[in-house]
Amino acid sequence: RKEVEQDPGPFNVPEGATVAFNCTYSNSASQSFFWYRQDCRKEPKLLMSVYSSGNEDGRFTAQLNRASQYISLLIRDSKLSDSATYLCVVNEEGRNAGKSTFGDGTTLTVKP
Amino acid sequence: GAVVSQHPSRVICKSGTSVKIECRSLDFQATTMFWYRQFPKQSLMLMATSNEGSKATYEQGVEKDKFLINHASLTLSTLTVTSAHPEDSSFYICSARWTGRNNQPQHFGDGTRLSIL
Repeated sequence: RKEVEQDPGPFNVPEGATVAFNCTYSNSASQSFFWYRQDCRKEPKLLMSVYSSGNEDGRFTAQLNRASQYISLLIRDSKLSDSATYLCVVNEEGRNAGKSTFGDGTTLTVKP
Repeated sequence: GAVVSQHPSRVICKSGTSVKIECRSLDFQATTMFWYRQFPKQSLMLMATSNEGSKATYEQGVEKDKFLINHASLTLSTLTVTSAHPEDSSFYICSARWTGRNNQPQHFGDGTRLSIL
């Protein structure tokens, strides 16, 4: 089982749709979680951190469920520019502290 | 915000050439930087963890003599692809994280697209 798992998609949605991605992680000791987006042929860029109480940044909402060991990203009112690959990232703890584990990414295509 | 600079962004060279890629953290100190490789339509693959003042830690299957890493200061790590061959053509990306707390995100350089002819 992978340490961080994401549904690879692709998710194809119309403009204005609401779409949600989930990500599960295997290490229950994990404390820090992030969502990144990566555009084609570009580097990953930090989208938002994920806080225990859940957090929102404009059209984007991130949530953490420690009991079930998953995090989610909700995108409301999708724009064409939201088309990208979304990466779930978990900072490792313990002997691997300092490293991050990346999911394989979920691809989103928003269509007119 | 934190910025990581990577140079060069694009390299095209002949087989057998050694290529050096620089990664700098511009406004924070990073005792640890990371080097990734990504092939088209594939996931990021961690190659090695670069540690300031000590040897890099390589992931399984990554040849340390092929991919030389030097982290001589708190703001600079370099990756040298020695005697590059066409199969080394890939997108190489570095990242750095502010040292001191494990709850900080990684920040990525712009990446280097390496093409070996």
